[in-house]
Amino acid sequence: AQSVTQLGSHVSVSEGALVLLRCNYSSSVPPYLFWYVQYPNQGLQLLLKYTSAATLVKGINGFEAEFKKSETSFHLTKPSAHMSDAAEYFCAVTPDSGGYQKVTFGIGTKLQVIP
Amino acid sequence: KAGVTQTPRYLIKTRGQQVTLSCSPISGHRSVSWYQQTPGQGLQFLFEYFSETQRNKGNFPGRFSGRQFSNSRSEMNVSTLELGDSALYLCASSRGTGSGNTIYFGEGSWLTVV
Repeated sequence: AQSVTQLGSHVSVSEGALVLLRCNYSSSVPPYLFWYVQYPNQGLQLLLKYTSAATLVKGINGFEAEFKKSETSFHLTKPSAHMSDAAEYFCAVTPDSGGYQKVTFGIGTKLQVIP
Repeated sequence: KAGVTQTPRYLIKTRGQQVTLSCSPISGHRSVSWYQQTPGQGLQFLFEYFSETQRNKGNFPGRFSGRQFSNSRSEMNVSTLELGDSALYLCASSRGTGSGNTIYFGEGSWLTVV
């Protein structure tokens, strides 16, 4: 079964510093990978999606993620953190086949931005 | 373009009661899936519907059920509520079924069971 592992349930960065949120996937076949963000008391918003078209995926709000098959990783980065980035971030995967829609999420990483 | 709409946003129920949650997908989307989010278990897949047919089901007891209507709107029902059913229930929609489709989430329905 597909799964993703997010390292670090809580990450703190200073405003203006680099944001790095880690995600590793377990799969023998490159899956579809996603990053979602959840602000307090809200649903999930799609940040970006990897579909094998390009290994470096740019998303909204200045975030990007790089797919590295050799490391089975899909880490999320942003060069300079902003206070508004404080939220919970979820890495997610769907299977490469199966003909159905099922997303498996990581445990989430809460990002704290310190002024 | 309107997003995924879920109603009600907040509700409180008593143990043993049942609850029905509603979801209207993005226009043109035919797949609707449901997820449960709790602090302890995180986000867990409940089920997916496409063209009024349940395509896949997560590992939840039979008290959790759902359906999809011909206009793609969906409802999920939880019968004989337990305290552990307190959670945020998220509905998501996508244009088609199949793993490559991007799913878009609603704001969720917060269920508290007392």
